[in-house]
Amino acid sequence: SAVISQKPSRDICQRGTSLTIQCQVDSQVTMMFWYRQQPGQSLTLIATANQGSEATYESGFVIDKFPISRPNLTFSTLTVSNMSPEDSSIYLCSVDLAGDTQYFGPGTRLTVL
Amino acid sequence: KQEVTQIPAALSVPEGENLVLNCSFTDSAIYNLQWFRQDPGKGLTSLLLIQSSQREQTSGRLNASLDKSSGRSTLYIAASQPGDSATYLCAVKPSGTYKYIFGTGTRLKVLA
Repeated sequence: SAVISQKPSRDICQRGTSLTIQCQVDSQVTMMFWYRQQPGQSLTLIATANQGSEATYESGFVIDKFPISRPNLTFSTLTVSNMSPEDSSIYLCSVDLAGDTQYFGPGTRLTVL
Repeated sequence: KQEVTQIPAALSVPEGENLVLNCSFTDSAIYNLQWFRQDPGKGLTSLLLIQSSQREQTSGRLNASLDKSSGRSTLYIAASQPGDSATYLCAVKPSGTYKYIFGTGTRLKVLA
């Protein structure tokens, strides 16, 4: 299994500012995933973060808005840039382990005023 | 394009009832299917993982089945308890990809 932590757990931010979310895993993993869950909605994949290469973004998500870093095999950050109220969501990181079970962090609840 | 739908969107049952949650997907070419539980404001907890070659998986009071040909999976919860109240999500990993596509979720409330 994997234990994943995220920081911060929640934040309230002003429009136009940026927030960086950290994700730490207790084991080395090749791919880490960042999801967004808007209020009352299911999960949408933002991007896949591979160590040593650029993140791969899904349709509708761009690097300028959601820059991602992956400095090593246990850590990643997602920045939500130039925030607007529409960015208010829960942001979740996850990993796949051997056996294909996907593990999720506890999420970061972001409110943009 | 793979789409995943869950019915019903919400369900309220008295404690002790057996219940079935449904998940349907449009493309049968899947690698596996996973059921998750999400408590309000929290992350997701994996409940059961079914590989494409499997028909069902069981864990305690939970049983998940998979019928790829019809594009359906069900999650059976026996003898429901108030602690089972949560949102249940199914997610499909299409063949040849590493990404999961999530369903819309079923919000379950078990009444004491």
